[in-house]
Amino acid sequence: AQSVTQPDIHITVSEGASLELRCNYSYGATPYLFWYVQSPGQGLQLLLKYFSGDTLVQGIKGFEAEFKRSQSSFNLRKPSVHWSDAAEYFCAVKGISGGYNKLIFGAGTRLAVHP
Amino acid sequence: DVKVTQSSRYLVKRTGEKVFLECVQDMDHENMFWYRQDPGLGLRLIYFSYDVKMKEKGDIPEGYSVSREKKERFSLILESASTNQTSMYLCASSRATTTDTQYFGPGTRLTVL
Repeated sequence: AQSVTQPDIHITVSEGASLELRCNYSYGATPYLFWYVQSPGQGLQLLLKYFSGDTLVQGIKGFEAEFKRSQSSFNLRKPSVHWSDAAEYFCAVKGISGGYNKLIFGAGTRLAVHP
Repeated sequence: DVKVTQSSRYLVKRTGEKVFLECVQDMDHENMFWYRQDPGLGLRLIYFSYDVKMKEKGDIPEGYSVSREKKERFSLILESASTNQTSMYLCASSRATTTDTQYFGPGTRLTVL
């Protein structure tokens, strides 16, 4: 069965520090992978996505993610975190269930940023 | 920009009430989705629709139904609300292509007392 694991429930970093959020997926075929961000009280906003090609994907707000097939991972990174990055981050994989495409989400990682 | 709107940001209902959550998208997307979000569980798919009057069950359809009479509007119905349906509900839409992105509304936080 398709699944997504985000091993870290909460992460705290200092403003200006680098960030890496982990995501591991389980999917038999070539995965379509996504990272979304949810600010407090808001819906989800797409940060970036991977379908094929270059395994290092650039997104909005200075985020990037690297697809590593051998590790079944799609980790999200940012070289220097800003206080406004405090939010919840969700990794997702698009899988097929019952003949239809659907997104399967991880449980999320809540990021806190210290000044 | 794609816009997905939901009728209420916050809703408080009593056990046993019939509850309607409305979602409207303005990008002529074929697919629409209803998710439930709970802490530690991420987002779980309740129902989705790939065309007008068409619907498919997601992972947790029990206690819910949906209606899609027009392409732009997708309604989630709680026939008889229960306290375990207190949650954040998120609507999303996308094109029908495999690689397309889902765009999300702001969510409705429902409390059932």
